This record gives sequence, structure tokens and C-alpha cells, in this order.
Amino acid sequence: GAVVSQHPSWVICKSGTSVKIECRSLDFQATTMFWYRQFPKQSLMLMATSNEGSKATYEQGVEKDKFLINHASLTLSTLTVTSAHPEDSSFYICSARLHLIVVGNTEAFFGQGTRLTVV
Amino acid sequence: GQQLNQSPQSMFIQEGEDVSMNCTSSSIFNTWLWYKQDPGEGPVLLIALYKAGELTSNGRLTAQFGITRKDSFLNISASIPSDVGIYFCAGQRGSQGNLIFGKGTKLSVKP
Repeated sequence: GAVVSQHPSWVICKSGTSVKIECRSLDFQATTMFWYRQFPKQSLMLMATSNEGSKATYEQGVEKDKFLINHASLTLSTLTVTSAHPEDSSFYICSARLHLIVVGNTEAFFGQGTRLTVV
Repeated sequence: GQQLNQSPQSMFIQEGEDVSMNCTSSSIFNTWLWYKQDPGEGPVLLIALYKAGELTSNGRLTAQFGITRKDSFLNISASIPSDVGIYFCAGQRGSQGNLIFGKGTKLSVKP
């Protein structure tokens, strides 16, 4: 399958600082990238959907000013957690959907995740 | 957000046994997907199902897309220790829709 690379794999930051997480599709162009958050022993919860060149669509309850998403190209999306607090500590996972000229069944491939710990 | 009903929540089995897990929804999906997630990693796609009634295999894994479009099951035959992990089902409406995940089934395999 296609490869999605997420960086960093883990990060520890001080409360009040900002952290940027990158999501890259290495061998394909991604029409859409998704950002998920996963708490321990829980499922993936969609935070936002980003399409290249346009503003991200955030799920209800997700603060867009706190979780800044930039999708500058078909192979890169970034999530910036601004003014991080301990309650933002979580596992953040991105996924990228293959870009097809003819729209059909498209699969989303996941990055390896980023473990954020705010101290 | 909306989640699918996935069961069982966890399973403890002996190596060599077969495993079955399923997901149900109150609404229809056009695509059902099954993922496996290892600790500290992102989910890896196991099987994708696109048609109601479709039965698809991937090695020892078999999954089916329910006729009603509201359910799917995943079977693992002759389990081995490396099958340990959390299995998630996901439903998708339309080819560009978001994925909605089940709560996961944690599988433990005793050698």
C-alpha cells in the first residue's frame, strides 16, 4: 500500500508552547488528509479534514484556533497544537487519501502517529 | 462523534484458534474497512469491502460486507502470536466520505 510518513513520532513539550506535526504522503498525491486524535484504549476520533489549498473542516468541538492545520501541497499537511496544555497530551494520527482523476473507491492510508506529551 | 458498535471489546484466545469480530451500525455504509493497530503505531489496512454481500480474504483473514450494508465481520483463522493487537472496523459513506470507526477489539493470543 501507499506510504504515509508522520513526524515526529513522539514529542515532549512544555505547557504553553506550540508543537507542529507533519504528515507526508511519500509515493502518492493526497487529495485529502485527515487528522485524528486517540486517547489511551480508545478509538480514533476525527478532528479535522483538510483539502489541499483550502481551509480545513473541523469536527464539532475541535477548536480551529488551537489546532491549526495547513495543507500546502498534495503531499504535505501539518497540524500545529498551539499553546499546548497537559490535556492536549494524546496520540495524533494523520491519514491521506489517494488523489484520483476519476473519482472512485479511494482508500485512506495512515501515518504511524505522534505521541504528544505536554508537561 | 458517531461510532460503530464493535464487539467483542476484547478477546483472549489460544494460539491456533479461530477468531470472529463484528461491527454494526444503525445506518448504511457504502464501504467497510478493517484495520489493525499495534501499540504506538497507526492503523494498517487489512481488508476493504465495497459491495454488499462481498466476501474478501487476505491470507488467514476473511471479512464480509453485510447484505443490509449495516454490518460487517472479520474472521481470523488459526491465530498466531503476531495477530495480537487492536482491530478496528470503519465505515465510509460515499467514496469521499469520512471514516467512522468502531471502538476496537483487543486481541490477545496465548502461545
